[in-house]
Amino acid sequence: EVQLQQSGPELVKPGASMKISCKASGYSFTGYTMNWVKQSHGKNLEWIGLINPYNGGTSYNQKFKGKATLTVDKSSSTAYMELLSLTSEDSAVYYCAREGILDYWGQGTTLTVSS
Amino acid sequence: DILLTQSPATLSVTPGETVSLSCRASQSIYKNLHWYQQKSHRSPRLLIKYASDSISGIPSRFTGSGSGTDYTLSINSVKPEDEGIYYCLQGYSTPTFGGGTKLEIK
Repeated sequence: EVQLQQSGPELVKPGASMKISCKASGYSFTGYTMNWVKQSHGKNLEWIGLINPYNGGTSYNQKFKGKATLTVDKSSSTAYMELLSLTSEDSAVYYCAREGILDYWGQGTTLTVSS
Repeated sequence: DILLTQSPATLSVTPGETVSLSCRASQSIYKNLHWYQQKSHRSPRLLIKYASDSISGIPSRFTGSGSGTDYTLSINSVKPEDEGIYYCLQGYSTPTFGGGTKLEIK
C-alpha cells in the first residue's frame, strides 16, 4: 500500500525557516517524482514544485523560487521541503503528492507563522 | 500560467441526482486534466486522470469527459458521501488548479 507520511504541525515565528518531511512507503521511491502543494484558506491549491528522487532534479513554480527548497534522502525514502524567511502569507497546509498526476497524497502538514 | 475556471462555485443537490461540474482552461491543455475530491479535513483524492481515464478503487459513478479547453466531471446518482470540494488540475504546463466546486448534498 502506497503511503506518504508527513511530519506534524508547526508553529514558527516570522523570519524563521522550517522543514517538512514526507516519508514514502509501499512503492519504489526513486521511480516517481514527489510534488509539493500548498493549500491556503482551506481551499486555494497551488503547486510548489517537484523533485525527482532518482537524480535529485527539481522544478519549481516561479512563485515559490527562493521560498521553497526541495531535497530527498534516498536511504530513508523521505522527501523534504524547506520553507525560508517565513511570513504570515506562508501559513497554510502543505501536502506532498506522488507523481505528476498526484495520485497519492500525504495527510498534510499545517504551518502557522505567528509571533 | 494557464488559468482554470470551475463552475458552478457551489452545487446543492439531492441524493440520486446526476450532476456535471465544469472546468474551463484559458488555452488548450490537450486532455492533460485531472479531477480530485476533497472531503472536509482530508487530503485530496484523485478521481479521474487525463480527462476521462478511470482510477482503480474510484466508484464508476464518477466519469470525466472533454478536450481542448472544456472538461466535465459527471457524478451519476449522487450519494451523501460525495459531499466535498472538487478540483481540476492541469499538467500541460506549470501545474495549476481550478478554484473548486463545492458539492452539497441536501
